Amino acid sequence: SQKIEQNSEALNIQEGKTATLTCNYTNYSPAYLQWYRQDPGRGPVFLLLIRENEKEKRKERLKVTFDTTLKQSLFHITASQPADSATYLCALDPQGNNRLAFGKGNQVVVIP
Amino acid sequence: EAQVTQNPRYLITVTGKKLTVTCSQNMNHEYMSWYRQDPGLGLRQIYYSMNVEVTDKGDVPEGYKVSRKEKRNFPLILESPSPNQTSLYFCASSPTEGYGYTFGSGTRLTVV
Repeated sequence: SQKIEQNSEALNIQEGKTATLTCNYTNYSPAYLQWYRQDPGRGPVFLLLIRENEKEKRKERLKVTFDTTLKQSLFHITASQPADSATYLCALDPQGNNRLAFGKGNQVVVIP
Repeated sequence: EAQVTQNPRYLITVTGKKLTVTCSQNMNHEYMSWYRQDPGLGLRQIYYSMNVEVTDKGDVPEGYKVSRKEKRNFPLILESPSPNQTSLYFCASSPTEGYGYTFGSGTRLTVV
């Protein structure tokens, strides 16, 4: 069966350090992968999209990598700040028709 | 302001009383989706639409109906709500494949 796996344990990290989150998927061959941020009780907010032919994508302090051989994406927040505390969701389009399936998310807590 | 607007934000209703959650987007997006989010289960797709009059079931469509008569609106209808439909609901839209989704602020529904 198809799965999108993110670490269920919260990541506690000191302010200023780099937070790294992992998204692993099985039985998919996605053309692209997306990352979203979600604050409690709020709708997810789109952050980055990376395509299968891209190894890395950056946006300000965010960096995403995509390894289709390992079936894995890494999401990095550099110079983390308390305002980065949130849950981060990884999403795939399994059928290539813009229908997103989401991982359960990984919470990040940045400690001042 | 470009946005997806859902109403109501909060709703408490009784079992069996039909209700509609409205969703409207002002970005001329082709794709729209409804998700529900439950603790431990993440975001699960209920229904999906790729254009006017084109809808398809998602992963958890039972007990829900949708319609897409106009591009901007995608209401979610619960004909006979039951307590297991108590959840946080999100509507989202996307311009086309390979672009991120914009989510609404959510509707917290409680069915008693």
